[in-house]
Amino acid sequence: NAGVMQNPRHLVRRRGQEARLRCSPMKGHSHVYWYRQLPEEGLKFMVYLQKENIIDESGMPKERFSAEFPKEGPSILRIQQVVRGDSAAYFCASSPLGTSGSTDTQYFGPGTRLTVL
Amino acid sequence: TQLLEQSPQFLSIQEGENLTVYCNSSSVFSSLQWYRQEPGEGPVLLVTVVTGGEVKKLKRLTFQFGDARKDSSLHITAAQPGDTGLYLCAGVQTGANNLFFGTGTRLTVIP
Repeated sequence: NAGVMQNPRHLVRRRGQEARLRCSPMKGHSHVYWYRQLPEEGLKFMVYLQKENIIDESGMPKERFSAEFPKEGPSILRIQQVVRGDSAAYFCASSPLGTSGSTDTQYFGPGTRLTVL
Repeated sequence: TQLLEQSPQFLSIQEGENLTVYCNSSSVFSSLQWYRQEPGEGPVLLVTVVTGGEVKKLKRLTFQFGDARKDSSLHITAAQPGDTGLYLCAGVQTGANNLFFGTGTRLTVIP
């Protein structure tokens, strides 16, 4: 049973370009979470999605960032007009059920390391 | 402000020694998880604790959840070089959708 898959593992973009990060959850998981880990900082929650719905985007920057989890295919985190401060590791996690106070566990992918030149 | 504080931030010990890592908060969590993260990889789940006072053992690792569900500890017995890594605690608050991660403890076990 494959784990959470993310691609690409490494992504280099120049300032002003767009970055697209993909996440395929574990088989049977319908809940996806995106986290960002800035250099020398802890992981910070960005957004929580179920199939075709954004449930909680309270950790997402208001501009340039968007996320989707379509009915078919992987979840996508899109960053438009990237800036140097967007350089970070972006992790996706999935769970079979929503966390919302339950004991459900989140399983993490290997991450995408974004470098903005 | 950081919801979960871990201590120590860095720890370097000799192989065979014991160690304890602490994860503290002023907030109550419905569950708390411990992860280990290797360089260039995602966090890997070690354990989930749910009940106040709960103790779970995973080989040489012992995890405890505080009675009030505000803190947790990780104790490693007879540390080995393979235990080297970044240890992260993460909690879920009732009604929340996401994990709040601690500041992390970077452990180095010297052969």
